[in-house]
Amino acid sequence: KQEVTQIPAALSVPEGENLVLNCSFTDSAIYNLQWFRQDPGKGLTSLLLIQSSQREQTSGRLNASLDKSSGRSTLYIAASQPGDSATYLCAVSGETSGSRLTFGEGTQLTVNP
Amino acid sequence: ETGVTQTPRHLVMGMTNKKSLKCEQHLGHNAMYWYKQSAKKPLELMFVYSLEERVENNSVPSRFSPECPNSSHLFLHLHTLQPEDSALYLCASSLHHWTGSYEQYFGPGTRLTVT
Repeated sequence: KQEVTQIPAALSVPEGENLVLNCSFTDSAIYNLQWFRQDPGKGLTSLLLIQSSQREQTSGRLNASLDKSSGRSTLYIAASQPGDSATYLCAVSGETSGSRLTFGEGTQLTVNP
Repeated sequence: ETGVTQTPRHLVMGMTNKKSLKCEQHLGHNAMYWYKQSAKKPLELMFVYSLEERVENNSVPSRFSPECPNSSHLFLHLHTLQPEDSALYLCASSLHHWTGSYEQYFGPGTRLTVT
């Protein structure tokens, strides 16, 4: 059974700092990995999707990497801003499980002005 | 605007009430999903529908009853719920369900409180 772990559970940084969020998964037979953002009490916004054949994806100040063989992904946020404060969720889909997503518990990020 | 809307956004109900959650997607997708997000727990997939047909039910208690009248609408009918059912219920859609290559788009969720 796939399990997804995110470290740290919470992170507080000053504005302008570069930071890294970590995601690990136990079964490397994944189809893709997605990073989502969730604001308090709100739904999920997809940030980046990495196919299993890819090593990284970039969108603006965000860069996500994937090391499928070791079961790890990182989300790098450059020059963090207070507006980046949210919970960041990592989710994977399995090679044989269709669209089923397995989520981690998330990292709650606070960027202080 | 994510293209997936949910109503109501907040719901408080007693344990003997019957209520329904509604989800609508405007993306032309064929698959729709219900997820449950409880405090301090990862999102849990509850149901998957593809072209109005239920394709997955993850051992969800029968007090939760989904309905998909067409590919754009999804309902979750609730009856005789328990306080531990209080959670954020999220709806999502994707073009198809049979592979993970199709990105899921989420609605804003319904915050449910069972008293």
